[in-house]
Amino acid sequence: DAKTTQPNSMESNEEEPVHLPCNHSTISGTDYIHWYRQLPSQGPEYVIHGLTSNVNNRMASLAIAEDRKSSTLILHRATLRDAAVYYCILRVTNGNKLVFGAGTILRVKS
Amino acid sequence: NAGVTQTPKFQVLKTGQSMTLQCAQDMNHNSMYWYRQDPGMGLRLIYYSASEGTTDKGEVPNGYNVSRLNKREFSLRLESAAPSQTSVYFCASSSPRDRDNEQFFGPGTRLTVL
Repeated sequence: DAKTTQPNSMESNEEEPVHLPCNHSTISGTDYIHWYRQLPSQGPEYVIHGLTSNVNNRMASLAIAEDRKSSTLILHRATLRDAAVYYCILRVTNGNKLVFGAGTILRVKS
Repeated sequence: NAGVTQTPKFQVLKTGQSMTLQCAQDMNHNSMYWYRQDPGMGLRLIYYSASEGTTDKGEVPNGYNVSRLNKREFSLRLESAAPSQTSVYFCASSSPRDRDNEQFFGPGTRLTVL
């Protein structure tokens, strides 16, 4: 499984945008980029995913580099409820398995 | 819909005891998974079941067995618990028909082995 690299932690102010980076230099052409987050004392929840093009949904945006070796999860206006561990995961096409790394701990200050 | 439910929420075992963690989903998903999460770490896949009647090993299967009882239920059994199995256990499910192939997670079972 291709690996991802994320910063251990990041901090943001409430109501400001947050850009969470992820490097995946060994990504293959069939790997999807998935983001999950885990709120304190809860199971992970899906945030967004993409393959080549940038993606938007109600929770976040995903910006994917042209060479696909990196991506950035964008939270447009961080709230205290967004404080969580964010995981960047590569999933092979038609594959079910997710391989979690340590993720990025996002702290949001009021 | 309740989504993915897990029982029990908390459990304390003594070394050598056995127990079964239960998981059920009501989303008609084909695939189900068991993960463990140790403090400060990401989740690691123990076993998964791509469809009813099939199970496969994940990254850390030693010391565990699983049963896909039917489409809804996927149980994880510890035959002889060890302190190294102290962890939070998460069950998840997904459907390949889902456009996002999203995995839905349960609330977790917090297991302590003394």
